[in-house]
Amino acid sequence: GDSVTQMEGPVTLSEEAFLTINCTYTATGYPSLFWYVQYPGEGLQLLLKATKADDKGSNKGFEATYRKETTSFHLEKGSVQVSDSAVYFCALSEVNRDDKIIFGKGTRLHILP
Amino acid sequence: NAGVTQTPKFQVLKTGQSMTLQCAQDMNHEYMSWYRQDPGMGLRLIHYSVGAGITDQGEVPNGYNVSRSTTEDFPLRLLSAAPSQTSVYFCASKSRTGLRETQYFGPGTRLLVL
Repeated sequence: GDSVTQMEGPVTLSEEAFLTINCTYTATGYPSLFWYVQYPGEGLQLLLKATKADDKGSNKGFEATYRKETTSFHLEKGSVQVSDSAVYFCALSEVNRDDKIIFGKGTRLHILP
Repeated sequence: NAGVTQTPKFQVLKTGQSMTLQCAQDMNHEYMSWYRQDPGMGLRLIHYSVGAGITDQGEVPNGYNVSRSTTEDFPLRLLSAAPSQTSVYFCASKSRTGLRETQYFGPGTRLLVL
C-alpha cells in the first residue's frame, strides 16, 4: 500500500542554518503531496502542497518540489528561525473515496538561538 | 469562519467509561474525518464521512462509532474506553471528497484513559 517515509528526528540546527527534511513516498497512483506542521500544543497546519509532478509548493520560506522520478518531496528552507521549531509531517493523499491522508511519522525540529 | 473546532481540548476517562468527542466545521464542507495521533506512528484514519447521513470506516475503526446527522457536525463516540485509546484525536474536513483540495484540521483533543 501507499506509504511515506521521512527522516527521523530530532533535528537540531542553529538559527539561520539551512534546513532539509527528506521525504520519500510509495504510491500506486498520482497522489497529492503535503507538508503539515504542528507547533507545540497546537493542531496540524498545512504548510505547503503540490498536486502534480514538478510542482513546487512554497510558504513562509519553506519549499518542496514534487519529484516523481525519485518519488521524493523534500522540505527545504534557506534560513531557519527559532519560531520554526515544530514537528513536520510529510503526507500524501490519493484521489479516492476515503480521501485518506497517509502521514509520515513526523520529524521534530529544534532551532537554537 | 471558525474553521474546524473540537471539544473538549483535554479529557481523562476511566476504563469502561463512554464519551463523545465533538467536531464541528462552519465551511459547509461535505467531507469530514477523524484521525488519531500516537507517538512514532504519525496519524491514522479512524472514520470518515462524505456527506450527511454517510459514514465509513477508516484504518483503525475498532472501539469508535460516528454519525453524521448534519453537514456541520461529526462526533466521535467511545462506547467503552480502553487505555489503548489514549491518544490525541484530530478532526479534519474538506469541501468534497475526491478532489485535490486541502483538508483542514481542528486543534485536537488529548484523551487519557486510565
